[in-house]
Amino acid sequence: QVTLKESGRALVKPTETLTLTCTFSGFSLSTSGMRVSWIRQPPGKALEWLARIDWEDDKYYSTSLKTRLTISKDTSKDQVFLTMTNMDPVDTATYYCARGYLYFDYWGQGTLVTVSS
Amino acid sequence: QSALTQPRSVSGSPGQSVTISCTGTSSDVGNYNYVSWYQQHPGKTPKLMIYDVSRRPSGVPDRFSGSKSVNTASLTISGLQAEDEGDYYCCSYAGSYTLVFGGGTKLTVL
Repeated sequence: QVTLKESGRALVKPTETLTLTCTFSGFSLSTSGMRVSWIRQPPGKALEWLARIDWEDDKYYSTSLKTRLTISKDTSKDQVFLTMTNMDPVDTATYYCARGYLYFDYWGQGTLVTVSS
Repeated sequence: QSALTQPRSVSGSPGQSVTISCTGTSSDVGNYNYVSWYQQHPGKTPKLMIYDVSRRPSGVPDRFSGSKSVNTASLTISGLQAEDEGDYYCCSYAGSYTLVFGGGTKLTVL
């Protein structure tokens, strides 16, 4: 059974750095072909793909956000991390981690991050 | 990359068919057969309904089908049911290892 769960601070101040953790089970990121992505959704708005990390530790980022994002993993703990710098109120959103690359077959429940002073 | 274009809303009566379009460009939808569709009920996590343009994951009813023509992908739901009401998002590979989502379509079952 595949599960993913996001965790991290729910409230961050403008200019701060956000760090999110995705803890998953039911698959291993050391398995060939496995990938985990981060996707966000501002309240009432559309989904936006942010970043992806592969089993070989290759990393890919949204063109518009790549200067602010860092994705990493701890394979031994079945965790993927996302760091986003210089947070702004427009970054207020539910942040999801999901398994996959060209499509996402399993999603976490999402974690709402609010950016406010 | 710009978001894919979807109608803001569509509606249909139970038993009818509805089609949701997803228009991109020759750099995304038109150049790759990697379009996926997600259903999202209010307050819930997105659910994969279609991948690789027209493939259905196990457990998704065959009332859901996908297709693509040039730069526009489509999701068709036949035999509409009340439980199909919700938001639908398309997603396409956009080259350079990136993906782009559509703006979302709200489906109302009348």
